[in-house]
Amino acid sequence: ILNVEQSPQSLHVQEGDSTNFTCSFPSSNFYALHWYRWETAKSPEALFVMTLNGDEKKKGRISATLNTKEGYSYLYIKGSQPEDSATYLCAGRWGNYGGSQGNLIFGKGTKLSVKP
Amino acid sequence: DAGVTQSPTHLIKTRGQQVTLRCSPKSGHDTVSWYQQALGQGPQFIFQYYEEEERQRGNFPDRFSGHQFPNYSSELNVNALLLGDSALYLCASSAAGSYEQYFGPGTRLTVT
Repeated sequence: ILNVEQSPQSLHVQEGDSTNFTCSFPSSNFYALHWYRWETAKSPEALFVMTLNGDEKKKGRISATLNTKEGYSYLYIKGSQPEDSATYLCAGRWGNYGGSQGNLIFGKGTKLSVKP
Repeated sequence: DAGVTQSPTHLIKTRGQQVTLRCSPKSGHDTVSWYQQALGQGPQFIFQYYEEEERQRGNFPDRFSGHQFPNYSSELNVNALLLGDSALYLCASSAAGSYEQYFGPGTRLTVT
């Protein structure tokens, strides 16, 4: 059974702080890594999809990196704002679980709270 | 573009009853996946539908069944509800050949 681990479970920061979260996953048969941002009572919002070792993606103040050889991804938020408060989920796809069309296997998420 | 929509938003059912949840995919998407998120857990894959057939299935009992219609919308049916079926049920849609999955806001099911 594949296991995706996210840390920390929760994070409380002040407005303006930069922060980062970790997603760890099995590297064997790895296909793709997704990051989602999920605000309460809303739909999870897709942030990034990464497939290649060394991939780096950026969207405004949020960026992500991928290391498929050691099985981890980092999500960085520069200068956190109160509107960044949300749960950040990572999810992976593996070749033996349907590959590019396969199901996502999620971590439990990191809950970020940004205080004004 | 309406995005992925789900109905109803909330639902309360009694143990032993049956429930049907509905999902309309994002325009242009032909694949629908269903996930269950129990309290404190990440979403767990239930099954995926493509071309009106179940293409993949997660580790869920046969009480969980689904359907996809010619317009790509989908239903999730759960029979003989158990207290443990109380969860948020998420629907995600994607286009064939694309990595991206877009999620709806979910249906909160409470079983009493």
